[in-house]
Amino acid sequence: DAGVIQSPRHEVTEMGQEVTLRCKPISGHNSLFWYRQTMMRGLELLIYFNNNVPIDDSGMPEDRFSAKMPNASFSTLKIQPSEPRDSAVYFCASRAGYTEAFFGQGTRLTVV
Amino acid sequence: GNSVTQMEGPVTLSEEAFLTINCTYTATGYPSLFWYVQYPGEGLQLLLKATKADDKGSNKGFEATYRKETTSFHLEKGSVQVSDSAVYFCALRGGSYNTDKLIFGTGTRLQVFP
Repeated sequence: DAGVIQSPRHEVTEMGQEVTLRCKPISGHNSLFWYRQTMMRGLELLIYFNNNVPIDDSGMPEDRFSAKMPNASFSTLKIQPSEPRDSAVYFCASRAGYTEAFFGQGTRLTVV
Repeated sequence: GNSVTQMEGPVTLSEEAFLTINCTYTATGYPSLFWYVQYPGEGLQLLLKATKADDKGSNKGFEATYRKETTSFHLEKGSVQVSDSAVYFCALRGGSYNTDKLIFGTGTRLQVFP
C-alpha cells in the first residue's frame, strides 16, 4: 500500500486566496484526521471523520476553514480566504477501527 | 480534558548515550498511550504503544512503561544512534471520555552527534 497520500507537498499562496489541501487515506481505513503543526502550537487536531461523517470539528480555528470527505477515498481541507497565520504543515492521518493512525507526509503551506 | 506534557527540547546527546524523554498525562480512566517519531520532512510514525497500566511498549531499542500511579510514559533507549535524531511525540487516546481523538504533546527534538 502507498500509505496516506497528501497533495500538494508544498503550497505557496498569497493572502486572500483560496487553498485546497487533499488527502487520500489508506484503502479500508474508516477514520480520517486532519492535523496542523506549527512551532508555536505543536500538533493540533482540526477535524476527524468516521465513515465519511465529521465527528468532531471543534479544532477548526474559524469559519475560513472547511473540510469534506465525499467518499471513503478522498478528503479536502479548504481555507478561504487564506491568511499568513495559516502558514503551517498540515497532516492527514487515517486509521482502521481502533488501531494505530498512519500519517501522510504533510503539506507545507506558506501564505505570503 | 485530556492532555499530554512532555519535556522541552532539544535533547542533545553523543552516540551510545542513554536517552530519557519524559512524558506525563492527564486523563481519567485508562487511556492508551503512544510514542510517535517524526524524521525531517516526513509525517509521524508510530514508534510504540501501551494500552493498559504496567504494559511496556518497545520497538527499535526504545521502551516506555505505562505507569498509572505516576501518570507517566517516559521514553528510554539504552544507546542512541545518529539515525535516532528526530522529533518524538507522546500521545494519548481514550480514557473515561472514550474519546477517539489522538492528543499529542508538543514534541521533543533529539539530536545525536557522533
